Amino acid sequence: DAGVIQSPRHEVTEMGQEVTLRCKPISGHNSLFWYRQTMMRGLELLIYFNNNVPIDDSGMPEDRFSAKMPNASFSTLKIQPSEPRDSAVYFCASSLPGGQPQHFGDGTRLSIL
Amino acid sequence: QQPVQSPQAVILREGEDAVINCSSSKALYSVHWYRQKHGEAPVFLMILLKGGEQKGHDKISASFNEKKQQSSLYLTASQLSYSGTYFCGTGNAGGTSYGKLTFGQGTILTVHP
Repeated sequence: DAGVIQSPRHEVTEMGQEVTLRCKPISGHNSLFWYRQTMMRGLELLIYFNNNVPIDDSGMPEDRFSAKMPNASFSTLKIQPSEPRDSAVYFCASSLPGGQPQHFGDGTRLSIL
Repeated sequence: QQPVQSPQAVILREGEDAVINCSSSKALYSVHWYRQKHGEAPVFLMILLKGGEQKGHDKISASFNEKKQQSSLYLTASQLSYSGTYFCGTGNAGGTSYGKLTFGQGTILTVHP
């Protein structure tokens, strides 16, 4: 079975540019989570969806961040405009309902110059 | 609130044992343990649900003390492959049905030959 698939694996872009991160969850998983990981702040939950509906976006740092899940097999996290402090590894994870194990994608390493 | 893990780091020789603790200031419904190797995604180890149960596989086990709102991860007869950063993720009653977790800051475990 394919795991959670994230793209791109690495992204380097200049400040002010729009960045779009993509995630394909494991088929059949109806919960999807976006995390950001930095040395300073650790692993932070940004937003999570259940059955394609955003449940809690309180972790989204600013209005520059937005996330969508148009269908059960695809989600995006967008940053517009990007800033150097957004540099981090962004993980997407999915799980079955009811607090089951979360399966993480390989992450997107984002560098904003 | 983020759960607190202790110790922050531990260094072992192969064959030695270690305990990693995870404490929460909020009532817990579940505790998840993950291991992350450098440059890789977190990988699920085990889930413990309220009820004070203990779980284990191979030489890694964990306990959950609901009253103390804490969990401990036990690594016995450590192997080189155990090296990595260990995270606990706590689920509180309110977010449990959707699987929302709050992760601790991580414990860096290094096993030397």
